[in-house]
Amino acid sequence: DTAVSQTPKYLVTQMGNDKSIKCEQNLGHDTMYWYKQDSKKFLKIMFSYNNKELIINETVPNRFSPKSPDKAHLNLHINSLELGDSAVYFCASSIRANTEAFFGQGTRLTVV
Amino acid sequence: AQKITQTQPGMFVQEKEAVTLDCTYDTSDPSYGLFWYKQPSSGEMIFLIYQGSYDQQNATEGRYSLNFQKARKSANLVISASQLGDSAMYFCAMRPNQAGTALIFGKGTTLSVSS
Repeated sequence: DTAVSQTPKYLVTQMGNDKSIKCEQNLGHDTMYWYKQDSKKFLKIMFSYNNKELIINETVPNRFSPKSPDKAHLNLHINSLELGDSAVYFCASSIRANTEAFFGQGTRLTVV
Repeated sequence: AQKITQTQPGMFVQEKEAVTLDCTYDTSDPSYGLFWYKQPSSGEMIFLIYQGSYDQQNATEGRYSLNFQKARKSANLVISASQLGDSAMYFCAMRPNQAGTALIFGKGTTLSVSS
């Protein structure tokens, strides 16, 4: 059983489109995250939810909107995609602040 | 502000040798956790080891150990008896022990293990 699963694994889309990435965790964790890994492999936090409440909202264009329907799911919706949005997006979850985060397999988004 | 520095962009080691990957951090928080992750070429992020800032002993997990020197603000990862499968990118990360925080990552070190 996959602990943190993201879909899709690959996403190729044209500029200007709207797309969503879904994430689900079956670990019973309270906290979920979205990270972005750029072309230089640098990982940066985008958003975090704790029990469906947004607790971290880094400086991210407002074209990016997370949604957490319940504490096991955290989706990422991106409007009006731009070339610079091309990256790998990772979903992760953790029990609480001082524990390790478990990552999904990543979604490689390519905007053409 | 918190910061993680990994100064080695690439490291090369032969099978069965030990290797140390450097990590220094900067934080004003009194309580925090330090983490190492492995990212193989397949892309997934694999958690390796955790060290709490108040832990008296260095963390160990199988062939991985964390050389924690709090006064120097360093948290180096030591991999003993390297294997070909250890070839990957390794990330050091830190998080304050408080709600509303997330892992802050270093830029990573690429480890190449040769036979």
